[in-house]
Amino acid sequence: AQSVSQHNHHVILSEAASLELGCNYSYGGTVNLFWYVQYPGQHLQLLLKYFSGDPLVKGIKGFEAEFIKSKFSFNLRKPSVQWSDTAEYFCAVKPNQAGTALIFGKGTTLSVSS
Amino acid sequence: DVKVTQSSRYLVKRTGEKVFLECVQDMDHENMFWYRQDPGLGLRLIYFSYDVKMKEKGDIPEGYSVSREKKERFSLILESASTNQTSMYLCASSFIEEPQHFGDGTRLSIL
Repeated sequence: AQSVSQHNHHVILSEAASLELGCNYSYGGTVNLFWYVQYPGQHLQLLLKYFSGDPLVKGIKGFEAEFIKSKFSFNLRKPSVQWSDTAEYFCAVKPNQAGTALIFGKGTTLSVSS
Repeated sequence: DVKVTQSSRYLVKRTGEKVFLECVQDMDHENMFWYRQDPGLGLRLIYFSYDVKMKEKGDIPEGYSVSREKKERFSLILESASTNQTSMYLCASSFIEEPQHFGDGTRLSIL
């Protein structure tokens, strides 16, 4: 069965530190890739997406992610985190196949201290 | 801006009750989805629908059913609520092959 693995359950950083959240998926075919963020008390919001083209995609709030097809990975990065980045981050994958839905990872909680 | 509206933010029901969770979207999206979100388990897909009167089982459909009589509305039904269905329920919608937009969620407690 297809699955998405997020390597870190909880990440704690100080402001200005660099961030990298890992995401790997298991599916051999073409996929669309997403990172969603959920700030405390808010609904899930799309951070960035990859459908095709340049494997380095830029999203909102200074986030970026790189798709490495050979590693089945789509890691999220930010060079310098802020306290306001404290949230839960979800990686999601959609096989490029009719009749399929998003498969989510279990999420990574990011806590940023000021 | 896309609006996905879930009928209740908080809901408390008793074991054995039939529970209806409603979701409405205002963007004429073809696709609609129901997930449950539990700590440490992420989002798990219960059911989804690609068209009116059409439904597909997700990863955890047991104990749930859905109804999509109109394109904008997708209802999740707990046929006989049990305590292990206490959770946060999230509705989402999207155009085909486009990112999903999520509602605020319904926190359901079954006593």
